[in-house]
Amino acid sequence: DAGVIQSPRHEVTEMGQEVTLRCKPISGHDYLFWYRQTMMRGLELLIYFNNNVPIDDSGMPEDRFSAKMPNASFSTLKIQPSEPRDSAVYFCASSFSGAPNTEAFFGQGTRLTVV
Amino acid sequence: QQQVKQSPQSLIVQKGGISIINCAYENTAFDYFPWYQQFPGKGPALLIAIRPDVSEKKEGRFTISFNKSAKQFSLHIMDSQPGDSATYFCAASNDGGATNKLIFGTGTLLAVQP
Repeated sequence: DAGVIQSPRHEVTEMGQEVTLRCKPISGHDYLFWYRQTMMRGLELLIYFNNNVPIDDSGMPEDRFSAKMPNASFSTLKIQPSEPRDSAVYFCASSFSGAPNTEAFFGQGTRLTVV
Repeated sequence: QQQVKQSPQSLIVQKGGISIINCAYENTAFDYFPWYQQFPGKGPALLIAIRPDVSEKKEGRFTISFNKSAKQFSLHIMDSQPGDSATYFCAASNDGGATNKLIFGTGTLLAVQP
């Protein structure tokens, strides 16, 4: 398996524009997580899904953020409208509940810059 | 969110020295404590993990020490090498719960000088 695949790797957008980040989890994994990484706050969990169903979105900063998982192999994180303070690296991770330990496999991240 | 507190924020160690990173947690339901290593431009990857039924786990030059009563755990990197320079995250989860959710610390940027 190629691992968790995220796209794009880098995104630069203007304030007010819509941004969509994409993620393909590892095949067979039933959990998918979206994290945001900043210097000040480290890795923050934004939302996670189990079997394509959102379980906990309490980490989503505000209504401008939304996430979907239409099927087991694809998820999106959308920011509309984007703001400069949304600039960060966004990671998608997946894991398998049947594994003996909770190991999350991370993608390479999307570096978002909002100007 | 349930918190995992990590220190120091950054660390500089000479080659061959010992790197020590500390974490503390609050939720006594946590039963799995991994450490993740992240190199620049990459996602974090699992390095080593421990469960609270043991006080120490060693894998090569990496050791986790766990103090259940104090709700603290630490990562020790022996004989630190320049290739160990990375960001390290501690994390915690409740494996026995209905979720695979990991709560991460804020990270420690380690620089090992040659």
